[in-house]
Amino acid sequence: SAVISQKPSRDICQRGTSLTIQCQVDSQVTMMFWYRQQPGQSLTLIATANQGSEATYESGFVIDKFPISRPNLTFSTLTVSNMSPEDSSIYLCSVVGRGEGASYNEQFFGPGTRLTVL
Amino acid sequence: AQSVTQLDSHVSVSEGTPVLLRCNYSSSYSPSLFWYVQHPNKGLQLLLKYTSAATLVKGINGFEAEFKKSETSFHLTKPSAHMSDAAEYFCVGYNFNKFYFGSGTKLNVKP
Repeated sequence: SAVISQKPSRDICQRGTSLTIQCQVDSQVTMMFWYRQQPGQSLTLIATANQGSEATYESGFVIDKFPISRPNLTFSTLTVSNMSPEDSSIYLCSVVGRGEGASYNEQFFGPGTRLTVL
Repeated sequence: AQSVTQLDSHVSVSEGTPVLLRCNYSSSYSPSLFWYVQHPNKGLQLLLKYTSAATLVKGINGFEAEFKKSETSFHLTKPSAHMSDAAEYFCVGYNFNKFYFGSGTKLNVKP
């Protein structure tokens, strides 16, 4: 299994500023994702973070607003740019891997970053 | 298109009674299916997964789910609810390197 840490765990930011969220995994993983969970909602996939190339964004999310870096197989950052109160959410990093002895992929989640924009 | 539908946004049961959380999937191919639980202000925890090895899957904390291809369903059940089961539950499908989240079901357990 993969252990994922995220920094910061929470932050309160002013409108118009940017926040960069870090995701660190304890093992090398090929597939890494960033999700958003708005209050009382399910998870929405923002993008797939690709190592060595540009991230793949889902419909409704753009690179200018959510730039992503993936410099290696254990680390990624997501920046929330020019924030507004609508960006207040939990942002989660996720990786795909195999549990011990497993023959299938499963998804492991970081603890999330709780962002409040005033 | 692949999708996962959770049929109830809220379910309320009394402690000690059975739990049923419903999930239907839409897929051209048999997907892998998962149930995750999210307790308030906590991260997502994997409850159980179906990967075609067996249609009845047992998970942690007494939960189980049955994959029914004829009904395209993967409902989550537990014989007897406990107060600590109160949380939000997500049904998730996986196919072609992508995960599909259901909208979630909030489970309330009354004393």
